[in-house]
Amino acid sequence: AQKVTQAQTEISVVEKEDVTLDCVYETRDTTYYLFWYKQPPSGELVFLIRRNSFDEQNEISGRYSWNFQKSTSSFNFTITASQVVDSAVYFCALSGRAFTGANSKLTFGKGITLSVRP
Amino acid sequence: DAGVTQSPTHLIKTRGQHVTLRCSPISGHKSVSWYQQVLGQGPQFIFQYYEKEERGRGNFPDRFSARQFPNYSSELNVNALLLGDSALYLCASSTMFQVEEAFFGQGTRLTVV
Repeated sequence: AQKVTQAQTEISVVEKEDVTLDCVYETRDTTYYLFWYKQPPSGELVFLIRRNSFDEQNEISGRYSWNFQKSTSSFNFTITASQVVDSAVYFCALSGRAFTGANSKLTFGKGITLSVRP
Repeated sequence: DAGVTQSPTHLIKTRGQHVTLRCSPISGHKSVSWYQQVLGQGPQFIFQYYEKEERGRGNFPDRFSARQFPNYSSELNVNALLLGDSALYLCASSTMFQVEEAFFGQGTRLTVV
């Protein structure tokens, strides 16, 4: 069974602070994908990043960076110099390699509500 | 290009009624998945359809059903609505059978009273 744990439920920071959102996952698949999505109040899930299990390189995209550590089954997300527009719910998700369709679903964590105050 | 479109955006139904939610995937996408997101929780997988066939089903009762049409649009049907079915229903479309790149619609917010 696949599981994603986002232990932090709510985080509040002041604008320009750095913030790290934690994600720990469990899977028996040797090939899998990890995702982060942002959900603003409008409800739509906005894709931020996908990482496959064979690529442990950290990635940076503007103010966003991701740290994938297979040894600790973690895929953490850092926002540098946070802005008010970063306020949203952030979800980490996991998908197995779907050869038969059994693992084609996304398994989501419960989400982290990030509030960035001016 | 239009993104994933879902209709209606909001819906209020009474317990015991039936509801049909609709999703149009991004042009060229052949896979559609449905998720239920209860307030304060992450989305839960309901169904995946690819090339008009069901390819995956989550842990939901038989009151939930879906289908995919030749144009790859999809419907999610829920019978005998319960208060607990109140949620945001999200549709995701992707190009392939797998979910490497799934794009979500804005969802249908269903309230059962």
